[in-house]
Amino acid sequence: KAGVTQTPRYLIKTRGQQVTLSCSPISGHRSVSWYQQTPGQGLQFLFEYFSETQRNKGNFPGRFSGRQFSNSRSEMNVSTLELGDSALYLCASSLEIGLGAGELFFGEGSRLTVL
Amino acid sequence: AQSVTQPDIHITVSEGASLELRCNYSYGATPYLFWYVQSPGQGLQLLLKYFSGDTLVQGIKGFEAEFKRSQSSFNLRKPSVHWSDAAEYFCAVGLTVGKLIFGQGTELSVKP
Repeated sequence: KAGVTQTPRYLIKTRGQQVTLSCSPISGHRSVSWYQQTPGQGLQFLFEYFSETQRNKGNFPGRFSGRQFSNSRSEMNVSTLELGDSALYLCASSLEIGLGAGELFFGEGSRLTVL
Repeated sequence: AQSVTQPDIHITVSEGASLELRCNYSYGATPYLFWYVQSPGQGLQLLLKYFSGDTLVQGIKGFEAEFKRSQSSFNLRKPSVHWSDAAEYFCAVGLTVGKLIFGQGTELSVKP
């Protein structure tokens, strides 16, 4: 069974640009979450999608957005990039059958560097 | 507010020695607790989880953790550390499906 796949794995952008990251969840998983990981702030929750609907959102500015498609694949977008957006962006998928069984399976992440 | 604290940023142990990584949480209700491990350049892998029942939970790779409600703790233990256990370890509390609050992580180094 294939794991969570994130693309691209590495990318470099300049300030002011925008970026789109992609995540393919494990087959059958309908919940997809995104996290930002930085040395200073650690792992922070961005948002969670289920059935193409955003159900939860973390404390990030509106420049951070996402969406989920009917096949459960998800994308996140960051517009007007800032230096502080440099981070590892992790996607995780889970079965939507309640938190008690909601083990998150993480991808290897997309490492974004903003110059 | 919900939070997770891992007091130790970096721990070094000798191979074969025992290990305990500390985790304290702040959460109003019965918590769902997790320990994840992250190797360099990798995503996170679940080691174990606690939802209810037996307060001592067993995980993969020989890890175990004990939930102590009175101390708001969920410490991770391993009786004998292997060099391959060197990684960063994260404790987390689950709020809802897909949403976890993570501690800052503890980096484990293993001396030969």
